[in-house]
Amino acid sequence: GQQLNQSPQSMFIQEGEDVSMNCTSSSIFNTWLWYKQEPGEGPVLLIALYKAGELTSNGRLTAQFGITRKDSFLNISASIPSDVGIYFCAGQLDSGGSNYKLTFGKGTLLTVNP
Amino acid sequence: GAVVSQHPSWVICKSGTSVKIECRSLDFQATTMFWYRQFPKQSLMLMATSNEGSKATYEQGVEKDKFLINHASLTLSTLTVTSAHPEDSSFYICSARVPGREPQHFGDGTRLSIL
Repeated sequence: GQQLNQSPQSMFIQEGEDVSMNCTSSSIFNTWLWYKQEPGEGPVLLIALYKAGELTSNGRLTAQFGITRKDSFLNISASIPSDVGIYFCAGQLDSGGSNYKLTFGKGTLLTVNP
Repeated sequence: GAVVSQHPSWVICKSGTSVKIECRSLDFQATTMFWYRQFPKQSLMLMATSNEGSKATYEQGVEKDKFLINHASLTLSTLTVTSAHPEDSSFYICSARVPGREPQHFGDGTRLSIL
């Protein structure tokens, strides 16, 4: 199925550094979501974005819904070891017939060195 | 917040057996649930959309006779992998959506290993 272009694929950073990752799509989405997945678990919702241009924060996490509705980024400030995991972006098209299906990016593997 | 429970968390069985995985929405009624499959180091791939009281909608390339989905109530959807073979080994994850504008909330997944 369709996938979003998510980058980078992986990041190795030192504790305390800031992190930025983004997703782009060739098609428009009405909703952008960011999830974090740890080994052996399901994805956990971090931030949901519903409006083009929207900038939303959740603690040290900040995400934005691109103006064109075809992209989104996630920033993590002052990273800590527990930020380790795979971060996925997901786009949702809230139109009739789409059944609110999600299209996922390939994920960004984040490793934080203490 | 919305909670989705998935059971079992892992299962190992012999080739040829059928395996049933349950997905429950614990504190809300979910008219729509989704089933995903995830291979190691890969993203989630949607298998099917499960609608309460009607037939599931399968994604292209997913065998509906192989992966039976039943959504008999507003809080329970089941995925049965019939006559499982080693290539069916994967991480299966369900999600449910609260009616309205809420995003999908995911279960903790089921690790299926077919010997």
